[in-house]
Formats: sequence, structure tokens, C-alpha cells
Amino acid sequence: NAGVIQTPRHKVTGKGQEATLWCEPISGHSAVFWYRQTIVQGLEFLTYFRNQAPIDDSGMPKERFSAQMPNQSHSTLKIQSTQPQDSAVYLCASSLDSYEQYFGPGTRLTVL
Amino acid sequence: AQKVTQTQTSISVVEKTTVTMDCVYETRDSSYFLFWYKQTASGEIVFLIRQDSYKKENATVGHYSLNFQKPKSSIGLIITATQIEDSAVYFCAMRERDNMGYKLTFGTGTSLLVDP
Repeated sequence: NAGVIQTPRHKVTGKGQEATLWCEPISGHSAVFWYRQTIVQGLEFLTYFRNQAPIDDSGMPKERFSAQMPNQSHSTLKIQSTQPQDSAVYLCASSLDSYEQYFGPGTRLTVL
Repeated sequence: AQKVTQTQTSISVVEKTTVTMDCVYETRDSSYFLFWYKQTASGEIVFLIRQDSYKKENATVGHYSLNFQKPKSSIGLIITATQIEDSAVYFCAMRERDNMGYKLTFGTGTSLLVDP
């Protein structure tokens, strides 16, 4: 059984460019979460979908960040006009029953 | 707001010994869930073990066990018979049951080095 898949694994963008990160949750999992990890802030919650519906986006920066889940097999996190401070590892996790969350390998975003 | 604190930045032990990692949390909820995750050198985050707040028994999975002290808001992770491959960063996390959903709040992590 494949785990959570995230693509790309690494992405380098120039300041002001757009970045789209993809996540494929574990088949059958109804909840999808996005987190961000940096040295300074640690692991931070960004947003959460349940049965494709957005439930909680309290961790999302108000500007430039958006997330979607158009179908049960993938979710995207889009960052418009990327800034150097957006550089981080972006992690997607999925959960069957909202207890344990299973994490993907992450996408390392570097904004030059 | 919920908060999870891991005060141990790093721990070094000799292989085959037992190690305990500390974690304290703050919550207003009467029902909550506590988790420990491990992040390997490759960056992979792996779920290890979970404790439900309403359960008095300490959870145990393989050579991982928990020391849950609810009055102290403490959830320690105990690893017995440590192995070299246990070297990793260990994160404590909490999930409250609130109206918004089930996000995890993580501690800052404890780096464990197991020496031969």
C-alpha cells in the first residue's frame, strides 16, 4: 500500500514566482492535512480537508497561500508571488479516522 | 490555545539502554489525544504511538511505551533496548477535539543519538 505521495520533492523558485505543490493521500483516507516545517518555527499546521471539504485553514497565511482538494485522490497547495520566507519543507498528511496522521516525504521549497 | 513543550533538545545514549523523552502540554479540553512521531535523517515523519486522554493505561507498541501523567499534563516516551536506527528527532504532538477539526500541535522535538 503506497504511502502519501508528494510532488515535487524539491522545488526552487525565484522571488515573485508561483509554486504549486501536490499531494496524493493514502487511498481511502478521508482527511488531508498540510503542515510546514522550518528550523525557526518547527512544524506548523496550515490547513485541513475532510471528505474534500475545507474544514480549517487557520494556519494559512492570509495572503498568497491557497489550498484545494478537487477530488479524493489529490490536494494542492499554491503559493503565489513566493517570498524567501516561504522557504520550508511542506508536508502533507492523511488520516483514516482523524487519529493518527500519516505523513508524506515533503516538498522542500527554496525561494531564491 | 493548546501548547506542547519538549524541553530536551538532544539526548545521547548507548545502544541497548533505555531512554525517556519528556513532553508537557497545555489544553482546555477534557478530551484530547497525544502522539509521538519520529523524524528520520531523510526527513520522513513516522507515527509511533498514541495515548487517548480518557485511558488510564499507558500505551505500548513494540519497544515504545508512554508514561502518561494526566495531573501533570505530561506524556513521556520511553524507548527500551535502543538501537542505532532509533537515532532520529522525536516529536510530541497533541490533537484537541474542537469545532474546527483535528489539527496536530507539535513540540519542538528532541534529537536522539544512539551510539554503539
